Amino acid sequence: GQQLNQSPQSMFIQEGEDVSMNCTSSSIFNTWLWYKQDPGEGPVLLIALYKAGELTSNGRLTAQFGITRKDSFLNISASIPSDVGIYFCAGQHYSGAGSYQLTFGKGTKLSVIP
Amino acid sequence: GAVVSQHPSRVICKSGTSVKIECRSLDFQATTMFWYRQFPKQSLMLMATSNEGSKATYEQGVEKDKFLINHASLTLSTLTVTSAHPEDSSFYICSAKAHYEQYFGPGTRLTVT
Repeated sequence: GQQLNQSPQSMFIQEGEDVSMNCTSSSIFNTWLWYKQDPGEGPVLLIALYKAGELTSNGRLTAQFGITRKDSFLNISASIPSDVGIYFCAGQHYSGAGSYQLTFGKGTKLSVIP
Repeated sequence: GAVVSQHPSRVICKSGTSVKIECRSLDFQATTMFWYRQFPKQSLMLMATSNEGSKATYEQGVEKDKFLINHASLTLSTLTVTSAHPEDSSFYICSAKAHYEQYFGPGTRLTVT
């Protein structure tokens, strides 16, 4: 089946620092999505990427869809305490019978030290 | 836009009883909804894909007779955990597909005593 390797598993950074995390796979995906999940809540969509090579920003967040369609990264600039949470990458692939499914990475837990 | 709600947010039930969780897309129609399960400190695990007006497609290892899914309208899907046992205790999250993206509900914490 599809598998995503997300790294790092966890990060401790100082407020104001930039953050980078990435996902790689041996499979090709047609869409990459990045989510943030706070404790006890559902994931919230941050950025969606649709084309290989695409670079998209959402405020302090920037994500890229790798040229090979097998990887993606997410950068957060000038981190603030509310950036704390677990970030998941997800690759969307066709699962047959007209359906698409997401495969999730294992998450990157971000801690920001004020 | 693209808001998904879930109800209840928390539920505690006794072993052997059934529990129904509702998932609604509030401002869009979703022909496809998904149900996930998440264990503590782990990623989301897809349980089933629910298509409006047809039977759900279950992932390998998920008992369809235990986790009943109904997607009766374009804005509502329900997950019923039948004859719940303590090992069914988990965080259940639904999502709905809007165009090319999936949006998630806030989750339901199920505790079976």
